[in-house]
Amino acid sequence: GAGVSQSPRYKVAKRGQDVALRCDPISGHVSLFWYQQALGQGPEFLTYFQNEAQLDKSGLPSDRFFAERPEGSVSTLKIQRTQQEDSAVYLCASSLPSGGIDEQFFGPGTRLTVL
Amino acid sequence: TQLLEQSPQFLSIQEGENLTVYCNSSSVFSSLQWYRQEPGEGPVLLVTVVTGGEVKKLKRLTFQFGDARKDSSLHITAAQTGDTGLYLCAGPPRLDTDKLIFGTGTRLQVFP
Repeated sequence: GAGVSQSPRYKVAKRGQDVALRCDPISGHVSLFWYQQALGQGPEFLTYFQNEAQLDKSGLPSDRFFAERPEGSVSTLKIQRTQQEDSAVYLCASSLPSGGIDEQFFGPGTRLTVL
Repeated sequence: TQLLEQSPQFLSIQEGENLTVYCNSSSVFSSLQWYRQEPGEGPVLLVTVVTGGEVKKLKRLTFQFGDARKDSSLHITAAQTGDTGLYLCAGPPRLDTDKLIFGTGTRLQVFP
C-alpha cells in the first residue's frame, strides 16, 4: 500500500523494558511527525523531522524518549525504561511539504501497553 | 501554551439529526484543520480553513472559521451511521512550524 505504515501495531511491555516503534512514511514525504494519543483524547505532538534533521523535539515527555530518522525515510521512536504512564497509542504522520498548508497523512498507530 | 478546546466532548444522536461541533481557542491560528479518526486508525483530514470567516462545504459537512481565527465549527446535516468517529480540530501553533496542536476531540456516535 501507499500509506504510512507502523509496526508493531500492538506492543505489551513490562515496566522498565525498552521498546522501539517503527514508522515507514509515504515514499517521498519530507516531513515526519510523532504524536502520542491517550485514550479518548486528541493526539499530542512529540517530535518532527524534515528529512533526517530533527527540527523540534519539544514534545518528548522525558529523556527516556528518543527518535531518529537517520536516512530521511524510516523513523524509530525509542522509549527506554518504560513506565505505566507511557501507555498510549503512538501515531506517526508524514507530509510533503508543499510550501502551503500541508496535509499530514497518519499511520494506524502503535498501541503500547506497559504493565 | 495554545490550547484547542472542543465541545461537546461526546455526542450521541440518531440518524437524520443535525449536529454542530465547536473548536475554541484564546489564541489566533493561521489555519485550522478538521480530522476524523475511526477506532484503530489514524486521523484523516477532512478540510483546511485559512481565512477568517471562511465557510467550506464537504457534502453534508459544513466547516466555518471564525472571523478572528480563534474558533471553528463543524456542522453535520442529516447525520448517518458512517459519520461515527472522533472529530479533531488541529492547527499549527506558529507560522514557522509544521507541527500541529490538536483539540481535545469530540466523539460522535450516530445510531440507526
